Amino acid sequence: EIVLTQSPATLSLSPGERATLSCRASQNINNYLAWYQQTPGQAPRLLIYDASNRATGIPARFSGSGSGTDFTLTISSLEPEDFALYFCQHRYNWPLTFGGGTKVESK
Amino acid sequence: EVQLLDSGGGLEQPGGSLRLSCAASGFTLTGYDMTWVRQAPGKGPEWVSAISRDGDGTTYADSVKGRFTISRDNSLKTLYLQMNSLRDEDTAVYYCARSQGNWYFDLWGRGTLVSVSS
Repeated sequence: EIVLTQSPATLSLSPGERATLSCRASQNINNYLAWYQQTPGQAPRLLIYDASNRATGIPARFSGSGSGTDFTLTISSLEPEDFALYFCQHRYNWPLTFGGGTKVESK
Repeated sequence: EVQLLDSGGGLEQPGGSLRLSCAASGFTLTGYDMTWVRQAPGKGPEWVSAISRDGDGTTYADSVKGRFTISRDNSLKTLYLQMNSLRDEDTAVYYCARSQGNWYFDLWGRGTLVSVSS
């Protein structure tokens, strides 16, 4: 099973600041990684797929990069609605797994 | 409106059974592979099971293999998860989600809570 490790666990930032979230895979997963956003009481929302492709309707301030084992989600300038939980997920093989999450909170 | 409506959760004793349903609205279910993902309180999501768009292919997480069965009825536009021999550790919010064939999930249900406790 591929383990996805996200860091940091919590990121305290102010609106307008840049957020950089990390996801590290326990083995090479090529670019088969997605990022999701989850707000309290809601289902996850797909942001990025195949490491760097924005999903439909996702604002350009969200970008993804990386390949192999190291991946990054960047939010260029935080909006109030961006304070949420973020998870990564791979699709390299079965079982699919998710990371433990990074909480982006308002400082 | 394009949405998934998951239902069927509740409180059940260890060893009991529940069947979850997920109704598709606003789109054709046959065009999508489907999955169940669960999330225990305060934890990250955990993939549970997946089924191909025609229902012929299924796969399960080791933690539920032999106890849970995923199925679908495309004519009724509904996905199911039969959960037997429930354990305390199955307690979670269960989400159904769709994939356009790449096993990323672009639409999720709102979730249904399964609580297993004596």
